[in-house]
Order: sequence, then C-alpha cells, then structure tokens
Amino acid sequence: NAGVMQNPRHLVRRRGQEARLRCSPMKGHSHVYWYRQLPEEGLKFMVYLQKENIIDESGMPKERFSAEFPKEGPSILRIQQVVRGDSAAYFCASSPGAVTDYYGYTFGSGTRLTVV
Amino acid sequence: KQEVTQIPAALSVPEGENLVLNCSFTDSAIYNLQWFRQDPGKGLTSLLLIQSSQREQTSGRLNASLDKSSGRSTLYIAASQPGDSATYLCAAGNSNYQLIWGAGTKLIIKP
Repeated sequence: NAGVMQNPRHLVRRRGQEARLRCSPMKGHSHVYWYRQLPEEGLKFMVYLQKENIIDESGMPKERFSAEFPKEGPSILRIQQVVRGDSAAYFCASSPGAVTDYYGYTFGSGTRLTVV
Repeated sequence: KQEVTQIPAALSVPEGENLVLNCSFTDSAIYNLQWFRQDPGKGLTSLLLIQSSQREQTSGRLNASLDKSSGRSTLYIAASQPGDSATYLCAAGNSNYQLIWGAGTKLIIKP
C-alpha cells in the first residue's frame, strides 16, 4: 500500500504559466480532498471530490483554479495563469468515505509550488 | 464558524520532559479531531484520531484527549526525545467533512 502519492514534490512556474498537481489516493479510497498551506499559515480546505464528481469546492478561488477526479487516473488540481500569491504547499488527502466518526484522513507529502 | 486555536505557538523543552500541547475549538459539533505532525518541508503524518464519541486515544508515548463540552483537546507527549521536534497540528472534522486546522505548535526538544 503506497499511501497517498502526490507529484511533483516541487514545482516551479513563472507567472502566467499553468500548474498541474497530481494526487493518487490510497488503494480503496474514493474520496479526495485538497488543502492549501500558505507560508506561515494553517491549512485551508479547497475542494472535496469523489470519482467524477465535485462534492464541495467552496474553498477554491473562483478564478484560475479547477480540480477533477476522473474515473481512471489521479486527481488533478489545475492552476491557470499562476501568480506569486499561489506559492504554497498543496496537500491532498484521501479517505474511504466521507468524514464521519469512523474515518480519518491520510495525507500525501504535498506539492510545493513556487511562482517566480 | 468553526475556529481552531493552538497554544502555545512554539515550545522548547529539554529532552526527557513530559509536555502538553493544547488545541481549542469553538464549535462542539465535530465529527472527530485529529493530531498531525509536520516536519519542515515535508508532509503531514497522522498521529491520533479521536472520534466524537471518544474521550481519548493513545499511541506509544502519545496520548490525546477530547472534551467536546469545553471545546478542548490536548496532546500529551511523555519522555520527549529530540526526534519529537516538529510542528504539531490539530484539526477538527466538522459536519461538512472539512478539516478546520489550527496554526500549529512548533516543538523543539533540546538534547
């Protein structure tokens, strides 16, 4: 069981470029969550996805950010036309079901995006 | 709106001491509470998960308690070691399946 796999670990983009962050959940997990950690701040919820469905994207900026979790393949967080303020660590978590009394989260190692 | 606060923001203690990290939350309607460890430049390691129906969980030298009525959780670390140095984060699972995070306590264990 390889755990939650995120890649790349580090990503450098120039302002205006696109960033694609990938997350493969743990085997058997069908729920994926993305969180962002800005420098010196706590983590903030971005989006919750199940296979082929966006369940809650209330934490996603309205522009330039999108997420998907296709039937096959990893979940993708896409940031278009990146700006310096997008520099952060992006963490993906997965769980076998939605959070209840009995489920917790397993996180990946994160992707550290630097916009230059 | 759920808010999670961790005190202190930083803590430095000599090796071997027992210590307590504090986490408070404003809305007692949580599904669970998790403690994580974050090492510099690295990912998040789940330490303990306390379900809303539980009062505490233990793993090795770690013990976490949960008091929903007072909106508090504590993480107790026994016989601290230099390898325990990290940032410790608590996160409350709220009714909308989101985790609401504290800003963390940066712990340094001095040899």
